[in-house]
Amino acid sequence: NAGVTQTPKFQVLKTGQSMTLQCAQDMNHEYMSWYRQDPGMGLRLIHYSVGAGITDQGEVPNGYNVSRSTTEDFPLRLLSAAPSQTSVYFCASSKTGMEGQPQHFGDGTRLSIL
Amino acid sequence: EDQVTQSPEALRLQEGESSSLNCSYTVSGLRGLFWYRQDPGKGPEFLFTLYSAGEEKEKERLKATLTKKESFLHITAPKPEDSATYLCAFSGGSNYKLTFGKGTLLTVNP
Repeated sequence: NAGVTQTPKFQVLKTGQSMTLQCAQDMNHEYMSWYRQDPGMGLRLIHYSVGAGITDQGEVPNGYNVSRSTTEDFPLRLLSAAPSQTSVYFCASSKTGMEGQPQHFGDGTRLSIL
Repeated sequence: EDQVTQSPEALRLQEGESSSLNCSYTVSGLRGLFWYRQDPGKGPEFLFTLYSAGEEKEKERLKATLTKKESFLHITAPKPEDSATYLCAFSGGSNYKLTFGKGTLLTVNP
């Protein structure tokens, strides 16, 4: 029972490098989202998707790009990494985004930008 | 503005010492109030959803309650394995966003 799978678990980048954080879910959920978690702050929404081909910005979208070509996958791209993007990134999914349904989280990607 | 505040930031209990965590929220049109548990190095694990004032849900030593302005997570006779960060979040209005509190770090000493 995989649920939400995130890869890699850890990554170190240099400023200016690009990379893609992978997220896959096997629950046939329509809604997927990306959050970042920083010390002393709550989880903050970066981008979300309500279905294949549909994405929208969350609270802190700058410097990140997403696309959703399949129901299962929702990758997060850092175009030009900056030290301010050092954080723990969580992907989550739910059956739909509305009706107060709970989101289920992966175990995160810990990203350091030097 | 929609917001959520959790208190206390940290709580240390002795095994068997019952207590409550608080989540105060402000939102127009609550769709759901969620409680999650997060262990170090892991993603948040879903515990409960509450939808309307007066609702209560229980799971083992945990009981969540909801009023129009607050939610409480009551922990009865906690054990060391209940040690974790407990997160409160809500969804509301016309958007898909979950708004999270900063969490309460619970430590239960044997």
